[in-house]
Amino acid sequence: DIQMTQSPSSLSASVGDRVTITCRASQSISNYLNWYQQKPGKAPKLLIYAASSVQTGVPSRFSGSGSGTDFTLTISSLQPEDFATYFCQQSYSTLYTFGQGTKLEI
Amino acid sequence: EVQLVESGGGLVQPGGSLRLSCADSGFRFGSFWMTWVRQAPGKGLEWVATIKQDGREKSYVDSVKGRFAISRDNAEKSVFLQMNSLRVEDTAVYYCARDVEGYYGMDVWGQGTTVTVSS
Repeated sequence: DIQMTQSPSSLSASVGDRVTITCRASQSISNYLNWYQQKPGKAPKLLIYAASSVQTGVPSRFSGSGSGTDFTLTISSLQPEDFATYFCQQSYSTLYTFGQGTKLEI
Repeated sequence: EVQLVESGGGLVQPGGSLRLSCADSGFRFGSFWMTWVRQAPGKGLEWVATIKQDGREKSYVDSVKGRFAISRDNAEKSVFLQMNSLRVEDTAVYYCARDVEGYYGMDVWGQGTTVTVSS
């Protein structure tokens, strides 16, 4: 199975900060990498698909990059509603795997 | 607006069975893969199973193979997860999601249904 490792596991930041979350795959996954945001008690929400494509309706402050094994999710200027947990997910294999999550806290 | 609504969760003893359902209130249900993802209390997301459009191709995480079965009824716009031989470690919130052929991510999610396996 393809293992996905996110870092950091948690991150403290302030409104207006630029933050970057990384995700590393145990083998090359091309750009089959998706990012999700989850708030407590809610279902995940798709932010980025195919490593760098922003899902319709997602603010432009969210961006993704990377290919192969190393990927990043960047929030250019944190807003109060962005404090949540973020997960990466590979879809290169039909046996999907998620990263362990990054909790973004104030 | 596409909405997915899960049902069927509850409390069950170890070794028991449950059948989860997920109904799509939108359209073109038959054009999409469907996936179940679960989240144990306080833990991260875990992919459980995926079924492709015609229902013939299915995949499962190793920990549920032989115990869980995913199926779909395109006429009823529903996907199901039959869970047998349940274990304490299957306790989780189970989400169904519309899966845009993997590459484009899971773009619509249900609200989740809670499964608790306990004696």
